[in-house]
Parts: sequence; C-alpha cells; structure tokens
Amino acid sequence: EAQVTQNPRYLITVTGKKLTVTCSQNMNHEYMSWYRQDPGLGLRQIYYSMNVEVTDKGDVPEGYKVSRKEKRNFPLILESPSPNQTSLYFCASSLISGGNQPQHFGDGTRLSIL
Amino acid sequence: QKEVEQDPGPLSVPEGAIVSLNCTYSNSAFQYFMWYRQYSRKGPELLMYTYSSGNKEDGRFTAQVDKSSKYISLFIRDSQPSDSATYLCAMSRLQGAQKLVFGQGTRLTINP
Repeated sequence: EAQVTQNPRYLITVTGKKLTVTCSQNMNHEYMSWYRQDPGLGLRQIYYSMNVEVTDKGDVPEGYKVSRKEKRNFPLILESPSPNQTSLYFCASSLISGGNQPQHFGDGTRLSIL
Repeated sequence: QKEVEQDPGPLSVPEGAIVSLNCTYSNSAFQYFMWYRQYSRKGPELLMYTYSSGNKEDGRFTAQVDKSSKYISLFIRDSQPSDSATYLCAMSRLQGAQKLVFGQGTRLTINP
C-alpha cells in the first residue's frame, strides 16, 4: 500500500529535550515536505526537499532542522523544542516538484512541548 | 492579509443538501488549485485539483475556479454523513519548487 508513515503519532516532552519525528514514504517520490497545522492558521510549510541532499526552508523554518540522506526518509529534528512548537505536524510527498503534482500526506504527529 | 482566505465554519447541513465551500486568494500567480479533505485524526487527502480557470466534476463533487475574481469553490451534491470532515483549499504557482499555500479549512458536518 502506498503511504507516508510518520512516527511517533503522539509525543509529550519537555522544553529543550531534542526530538526527531521520522517520515518515510514507499512511493519513490522525489519531493518531500513538512507542515505544521495550528488552529486558525491552517497548514504552514516548515521545510521541503526536492531530492536527496537538497533541502530548503518553507514559511516557518525557525527552530527546526531536516535532512534527506535517503530518498524515502525525511526526518524533522527539533534540537531544543519550545512550547510554541506544540502543534500537529504532517509529512507529505509527491512524485516531483511542481504545482500540478498532488501531495500525499501522512496521518500526522501531535507534539506537546511542556 | 493572508494569501488564501477560507471561512473556518463550522458548517452544518442536513443529509442530501448541496454544500458550497469557498476560498478567496490574493496572489494572481497561483495556477493550480486543489481541495483536500481531512478526517479527524488523519492527514489531508487530495479530493480535486484543477489548473487555471474552469470547472471540474468528479462524481458528487464539482470544483470551480474563477481567476478573474480570485475565487474558488467546491460543491458537494447529495451530501452524505461520510462527507463530514474538514475541507482545505490549497493552491500553488505554475513554476518553481512546489509550495502549497493552504486555507485554514472549513469544518463540515452532514446531519443524518
């Protein structure tokens, strides 16, 4: 089954404790992206990657890091999480970059930073 | 001003009603327009996408784009309780890295 898999689905942690949210896709997609979803603000892009070793900032990259060492994986790293990073996070992928390529989303990771 | 504006609702209608969901946008560079459906505790899934102006129909769903007015719509005919979800509009430019700009979503409930 074609899918985007995120782990963990839920995490409660404390300020300053480094964490990584993993994302893996099995569709051989070049393009991958991370979003956060907040009430009243919708989905906002954090980082994206057009291919292996190619990453770039989205609209809200502050406080986040990403890496793309393999085509299928695109982890999101919070080096020193803060409460304002409490949110619902989604990873997405598409075949190639470009406005006409639909993005496939994972089921989300709900992070609570205390 | 946000690039994409969408009424968050909530919107509640009886089963069988025609539902109209709308978004307005300010960036005339947008060329691709999408509607995603998001069920509770799930990620968004692509429902419809259209390029430039015009209509597109898929079963009970019709997407309309009016670029002159910077206005897009999604119509749901013969609405069903299973259509209850949050609907997000999204749009992107023609060229360059794929960057979707989303509306904040409209929460829709279809009452049996």
